[in-house]
Amino acid sequence: DTGVSQNPRHKITKRGQNVTFRCDPISEHNRLYWYRQTLGQGPEFLTYFQNEAQLEKSRLLSDRFSAERPKGSFSTLEIQRTEQGDSAMYLCASSISGRAQSEQFFGPGTRLTVL
Amino acid sequence: DAKTTQPNSMESNEEEPVHLPCNHSTISGTDYIHWYRQLPSQGPEYVIHGLTSNVNNRMASLAIAEDRKSSTLILHRATLRDAAVYYCILRDVGSGTYKYIFGTGTRLKVLA
Repeated sequence: DTGVSQNPRHKITKRGQNVTFRCDPISEHNRLYWYRQTLGQGPEFLTYFQNEAQLEKSRLLSDRFSAERPKGSFSTLEIQRTEQGDSAMYLCASSISGRAQSEQFFGPGTRLTVL
Repeated sequence: DAKTTQPNSMESNEEEPVHLPCNHSTISGTDYIHWYRQLPSQGPEYVIHGLTSNVNNRMASLAIAEDRKSSTLILHRATLRDAAVYYCILRDVGSGTYKYIFGTGTRLKVLA
């Protein structure tokens, strides 16, 4: 079990560019979550998937953000036309369904810096 | 979503017990209490969770008040590796949602 992995670990981009992050969950986990964390704050929920279905989206997820999980395995989070306010750590987590209080396992995050 | 209140920071000496408090006065009957911690430069990791009864695991103990309006995470012997931000989170099992609503947590400093 290699845990949740995220790539890249760091991304620096210029304002207005598009970026895409990838998350590989723990292999048997069918739920996948994206969170965003800014300095000094706790993670904020963005969206989550059960298998390939996107079941919940936060109001934080503006129309510039899109997330996919095409085959119910890895997921991508794309930010279009990045803004400086998008600079943050983007965290992915996964969990297994079938247990009401299944813990979420978090990846190390992708740190995005928008110049 | 029910909210939690935690102190911004706490300090402890190494090898002493640490009691991290959390207030959740608006907790509902179907809210589970979860604790996660986040070490520097890492994603959060699960510590413990409970509903009504006190809980123990290899990492910590969770003491839940009888009225469930507060809880305390207990680290029995703090080590330097326990220095982290600790988050107390409520999740409503009856809401059909699986997201966590994190607050700003308690930053624990462990002194050698």
